[in-house]
This record gives sequence, structure tokens and C-alpha cells, in this order.
Amino acid sequence: EIVLTQSPGTLSLSPGERATLSCRASQSVSNSYLAWYQQKPGQAPRLLIYGTSSRASGIPGRFSGSGSGTDFTLTISRLEPEDFAVYYCQQYGYSRWTFGQGTKVEIK
Amino acid sequence: QLQLQESGPGLVKPSETLSLTCTVSGGSIDSSSYYWAWIRQPPGKGLEWIGSIYYTGSTYQNPSLESRVTISVDTSKNQFSLKLSSVTAADTAVYYCATGGYNYDSWGQGTLVTVSS
Repeated sequence: EIVLTQSPGTLSLSPGERATLSCRASQSVSNSYLAWYQQKPGQAPRLLIYGTSSRASGIPGRFSGSGSGTDFTLTISRLEPEDFAVYYCQQYGYSRWTFGQGTKVEIK
Repeated sequence: QLQLQESGPGLVKPSETLSLTCTVSGGSIDSSSYYWAWIRQPPGKGLEWIGSIYYTGSTYQNPSLESRVTISVDTSKNQFSLKLSSVTAADTAVYYCATGGYNYDSWGQGTLVTVSS
């Protein structure tokens, strides 16, 4: 089973700042199978990025994804007030899906 | 876009079987190349994939839950279901149904299931 480890656990930033979130896999993950989600309190997760770097429908351009192999990154270029939330990476491999433990982006 | 809605009891007794159903609208459950999944989130914690069923009927389970999980599809009702046996307090969580390819672009709103006597 591929384990995803996200860092940092919490990111304290101000609106307008850049956020860089990391997701490290215990084994190599195909670029096609790495996704990122945003979750706000009381809501279901929302798909942001799929295939490592493709934005899902309706996702603003300030969200971008990159990486390969075992190291992947979600970048929010300039934080808007609505971006403060928890972010999860997720992978598919060997007929299994796994999620990282999440990174909380909070207002500094 | 597909809409998903979970339904089922909100309270289950320890050692009993948790049963949930996800009703799909906006598309047919057996006509698309989608995986139909169950994912849960214990209070204050992260997301855990429980298992998935492909439109062909093939099923996949989280190894940590595999012996207790059954996922099935009812194409006549456009629904898929989860059964989790021998539940304990550790199974208390919000349970989501979701669908997509190798990621999930449509989710239900989630339903809280509490395991307690």
C-alpha cells in the first residue's frame, strides 16, 4: 500500500501570500493518478487538481500542481479568504486509493 | 454533473452491521466508466478510502477493512451500497459516497454514523 505523507501539518499564512503544500509518497506514483482536494468545515471534499497538474472544472488559476515520482506539490499563488481550509492529496495505485493526512491552511 | 446522496441509519450498535446506500442522479450507474466509492472521515480526522466498485461489478477494498466490507450495485435503482460488519466505536465517522475515474469529482454531502449502544 502506498502511504502519502503531507507537510506541513498546519500552514499559517496571510491573505495574498503564497502557499506551498507538499505530498510525499512511500513509492513512486504515476503522474496520472495524483490528485488534490480542498475541504472546508462541514462540507464534502472538492476536487482541485487531478493528474498531478490539471485543474478540475471551475477551479481558479491560482491553484497549481506539480511533481513526479514520490514528491508532489500544490501551490496557491495568492491566498484568498475562501482558500483557508484543509487540503488532501490522494493517489491511485495497485487497485487501491489512499489519502494523505491533510494540511490545514489557516489565517495568520 | 452527477449528484450523489447517502442514506441509512445514523446510529448503529456495536458488533452490528452498518448499512448505507448512495443514490445516483444525473446519470446511469452502469453506463459510465466510473468507480463508485465509499470514503469515511472520523470526527476531526482525515479521509479514509473504504472501497470501490467499478461499473463492471469488480470491487476493491481497503486492506485494513477488507474482511468487514461489502460493496454492491443495484442498477435497477441506480444505487450502490456499503455494508460494514462487526462495527465498533472506531467506525464512528462521516461516510461519503463519491465517484470519478482515478480521483473523485462528485461527492455526496456525507452522513454521520455513530456506533454506540
